[in-house]
Amino acid sequence: GQSLEQPSEVTAVEGAIVQINCTYQTSGFYGLSWYQQHDGGAPTFLSYNALDGLEETGRFSSFLSRSDSYGYLLLQELQMKDSASYFCAVRDQTGANNLFFGTGTRLTVIP
Amino acid sequence: KAGVTQTPRYLIKTRGQQVTLSCSPISGHRSVSWYQQTPGQGLQFLFEYFSETQRNKGNFPGRFSGRQFSNSRSEMNVSTLELGDSALYLCASSANRQGGGYTFGSGTRLTVV
Repeated sequence: GQSLEQPSEVTAVEGAIVQINCTYQTSGFYGLSWYQQHDGGAPTFLSYNALDGLEETGRFSSFLSRSDSYGYLLLQELQMKDSASYFCAVRDQTGANNLFFGTGTRLTVIP
Repeated sequence: KAGVTQTPRYLIKTRGQQVTLSCSPISGHRSVSWYQQTPGQGLQFLFEYFSETQRNKGNFPGRFSGRQFSNSRSEMNVSTLELGDSALYLCASSANRQGGGYTFGSGTRLTVV
């Protein structure tokens, strides 16, 4: 089976840097994705790591290490609007090929 | 470019009834996936359709079904509604069945009373 574990809540100060971790157990996957979801809104795609290493998109960066079964999302220069839930997800490689989501991390940015 | 459109946005149904939700993917996207989101369970995969064929199905009872039309629009149906079916139902589309970049619709909030 698959499991993607994330911290349930993280609080950080405006302007700071925060890292949201994702540890996974899966027999195989194509890559690791990250999604942001504001309250009452739809999940929106942030980034995708097909290969190990760091991907940078503006203030957001995402990292994947397959050997460590671990990834993270790094948010820099935090803004109040970054308060949201963040989900990691993997695209199953074992045949089902669906996008499987982690438990989600609620990020609260405080002044 | 229009996004993923889900209708209706809100729905209230009574236990035992059935409901049909609709999803229009981004033009050109042939893959449509459905997810159920509840506070306690997060995003749970329901099923995926690609080129009118169901490719995968999640661990949900047979009361949950879906289909995809030739224009890639998709519907999901839930029969014999239960209180526990109250959730946000999200549809996501992608151009192919690889990668991780899904585009989600705003969802249908279903309340079963």
